[in-house]
Amino acid sequence: EAGVTQSPTHLIKTRGQQVTLRCSPISGHTSVYWYQQALGLGLQFLLWYDEGEERNRGNFPPRFSGRQFPNYSSELNVNALELEDSALYLCASSLRGTTNEKLFFGSGTQLSVL
Amino acid sequence: AQSVAQPEDQVNVAEGNPLTVKCTYSVSGNPYLFWYVQYPNRGLQFLLKYITGDNLVKGSYGFEAEFNKSQTSFHLKKPSALVSDSALYFCAVNSGYSTLTFGKGTMLLVSP
Repeated sequence: EAGVTQSPTHLIKTRGQQVTLRCSPISGHTSVYWYQQALGLGLQFLLWYDEGEERNRGNFPPRFSGRQFPNYSSELNVNALELEDSALYLCASSLRGTTNEKLFFGSGTQLSVL
Repeated sequence: AQSVAQPEDQVNVAEGNPLTVKCTYSVSGNPYLFWYVQYPNRGLQFLLKYITGDNLVKGSYGFEAEFNKSQTSFHLKKPSALVSDSALYFCAVNSGYSTLTFGKGTMLLVSP
């Protein structure tokens, strides 16, 4: 069974550009989560989607947005990139989105903003 | 609001010795507690979780964690460390109606 897949694995952008990251959850999982892992800051929660709806949002500016498609895959969009957006972006999925479930993580997209 | 503290940025231990990675949490209501491990250039992998019941939880790769409600702690332990256990370890908490909150991580280095 395939795990959570993310694309691309690496990206290099310049300040002010826009980027789209993609995530495919494990088959049968309806919930998708996005986390930002910046150096020294641990994992910061970005967004949670379940059944196509945004369920929760972390403390990030509106230029971070996303969506979930009918097949439960998801996109994370970041507009007007800033240097501090450089980080590993991790996507995770879970079966139902309940709070006691474990998350399954992808290997992430490493974004570098120059 | 919920939060997790991992007071040690790095833990060093010799192979064969017991290891402990510390975690304390703050949450309203009953906590759901998790440990994840991250190997270089990889995503996080689930190790174990505490939902309810026995305070000692056993997980993957010989790891276990003890839930202590009075001290609001959930320390990760292993009786005998392996060099291959060297990785970044994250503690995480969730409660009721929120999403998983992670600590900043603790780098575990096991020397031969």
